[in-house]
Amino acid sequence: EVQLVESGGGLVQPGGSLRLSCAASGFTFSIYWMHWVRQAPGKGLEWVSHIESDVSRTDYADSVKGRFTISRDNAKNTVYLQMNSLRAEDTAVYYCATGKPGGLDYWGQGTLVTVSS
Amino acid sequence: IQLTQSPSSLSASVGDSVTITCRASQGISSYLAWYQQKPGKAPKLLIRSASTLESGVPSRFSGSGSGTDFTLTISSLQPEDFATYYCQQLNSFPRTFGQGTKVEIK
Repeated sequence: EVQLVESGGGLVQPGGSLRLSCAASGFTFSIYWMHWVRQAPGKGLEWVSHIESDVSRTDYADSVKGRFTISRDNAKNTVYLQMNSLRAEDTAVYYCATGKPGGLDYWGQGTLVTVSS
Repeated sequence: IQLTQSPSSLSASVGDSVTITCRASQGISSYLAWYQQKPGKAPKLLIRSASTLESGVPSRFSGSGSGTDFTLTISSLQPEDFATYYCQQLNSFPRTFGQGTKVEIK
């Protein structure tokens, strides 16, 4: 059974940093692209970032470029999202997701990040 | 690439047929997915590649389109279908989502 389990969310002050983790199991993690998607309270889905299987390429939404960094450890079956210079508008549930080409088949349960003083 | 869904919300009754449209700001071939999301839950993939129904998804869901115009149709709405639906383009990065369509009970 495929499982994606996010952790690392919490309350952080504006300007602060947080690192999210997503532990994967039940599939061959090393060959799948991994994504982060977020959802602000009461709002729609926003794609945040992706990393290719061999770490050769990463991409970011314009809203987080230069502040967030995605990485992965294929030996630990884990993908990370380092979030720096956090703003109130980064408050959201952050999901990690993956899947075959053409769609995101598997999602975690999400972890809540709240940026507030 | 921007995706515009319409309508933003709709009210319908059990048994109704509903259609949601998703328009891309530039051509994306058939690189479009549809998701269903219920409150407090992660999204669920319904359709990939514009028209390929995912395993386990009821056949009352169907998708069509290519290029810039796409549709999701639910042929006979069931109580469990009341949810918010999102399209996502997978043609290029960033992998944008539509703003969502909330399907409510009339």
